[in-house]
Amino acid sequence: GNSVTQMEGPVTLSEEAFLTINCTYTATGYPSLFWYVQYPGEGLQLLLKATKADDKGSNKGFEATYRKETTSFHLEKGSVQVSDSAVYFCALNNQGGKLIFGQGTELSVKP
Amino acid sequence: ETGVTQSPTHLIKTRGQQVTLRCSSQSGHNTVSWYQQALGQGPQFIFQYYREEENGRGNFPPRFSGLQFPNYSSELNVNALELDDSALYLCASSSVLVDGTFNSPLHFGNGTRLTVT
Repeated sequence: GNSVTQMEGPVTLSEEAFLTINCTYTATGYPSLFWYVQYPGEGLQLLLKATKADDKGSNKGFEATYRKETTSFHLEKGSVQVSDSAVYFCALNNQGGKLIFGQGTELSVKP
Repeated sequence: ETGVTQSPTHLIKTRGQQVTLRCSSQSGHNTVSWYQQALGQGPQFIFQYYREEENGRGNFPPRFSGLQFPNYSSELNVNALELDDSALYLCASSSVLVDGTFNSPLHFGNGTRLTVT
């Protein structure tokens, strides 16, 4: 079946450090891929998405590229800020608008 | 544009009781999905409603049921609550694309935190 695997957290970085959160997926066909972010006490917010191979999604300095050959969608940011501290979820949509999420990766950015 | 709103924000129930959670979809959206997020886990799909009918269901028992109303708002009902039902319940709204396919839910509410004691 379809599944999403993320790197385990928590990830702790200093401000202005480079961020990578790994995400790989297993799916039939060509799903759309997403990154969602969840700030403490809040629901999920869509961070970025990509709908086909080689697409790059980007938003707020975050980027992720849909790699069909490695079935990956790694999240990157060149310089993190304290305000980026949150839990990040990778997800796929293969049919019917139903999302399958990874287990989440907690990011903590220290000043 | 009104976002997805959920009520209540927090709820405490006793094992065996029943609970109803409510969701108002974002304006212009006609599909509502419900997800359960256990502590430290990713959200799990419960079910989706479109045109007031259930349109797909995840791996949840029948004591999880739902409704969608003509104004596209929705309810999630859970009967015979168990301790493992303690979680954050998220509602998300989306729309049907012009080709009849469903768009991924892009808009989530802030959730209802249910605690079962």
